[in-house]
Amino acid sequence: KQEVTQIPAALSVPEGENLVLNCSFTDSAIYNLQWFRQDPGKGLTSLLLIQSSQREQTSGRLNASLDKSSGRSTLYIAASQPGDSATYLCAVMDGATNKLIFGTGTLLAVQP
Amino acid sequence: EPEVTQTPSHQVTQMGQEVILRCVPISNHLYFYWYRQILGQKVEFLVSFYNNEISEKSEIFDDQFSVERPDGSNFTLKIRSTKLEDSAMYFCASSWDRVKGGYTFGSGTRLTVV
Repeated sequence: KQEVTQIPAALSVPEGENLVLNCSFTDSAIYNLQWFRQDPGKGLTSLLLIQSSQREQTSGRLNASLDKSSGRSTLYIAASQPGDSATYLCAVMDGATNKLIFGTGTLLAVQP
Repeated sequence: EPEVTQTPSHQVTQMGQEVILRCVPISNHLYFYWYRQILGQKVEFLVSFYNNEISEKSEIFDDQFSVERPDGSNFTLKIRSTKLEDSAMYFCASSWDRVKGGYTFGSGTRLTVV
């Protein structure tokens, strides 16, 4: 059964720092991996989608990498800002069940 | 940018009452989904819908739940007799492809059963 884990569970950094959020999954048979942002009590905003054949995707200050064989993905945020404070969720499209499986998320706080 | 729209944003209902959560998926998407997130827990899959029928459902999606696409634009989730443990944020999502297309989620409906 596919399990998705995110480390760390929470992270607090001063404004301007570069940071890395980690996501790991137990079964490498995935179609793609998607990173989402969730503000408190709000919906899920898609940040980046990486297909299984791709190694990375970039959008502005965000860069996501995917190493399917080792079951890992990272989300790199450059020059963090207080507005980046949110929960970041990783989700994999599982090849066995054709379902989007979510991780537990990383709660990020960027201090001004 | 196209959006998935959900209404209402909040719903409070008494235990045993029926609720209908509404969603308008992105117009050219073909696959529709409901997910839920109990406070402090993971986002979890409920059901997927394609070509006017359920394609997958989780063990959570029992006989108390149903989905419908009553017209060309709306997609609804009905809970027939709500329980306290149904309290959660319910998210609707849509995609253009079942596995390759990324999911676009709505802003959610917070359901509170009292």
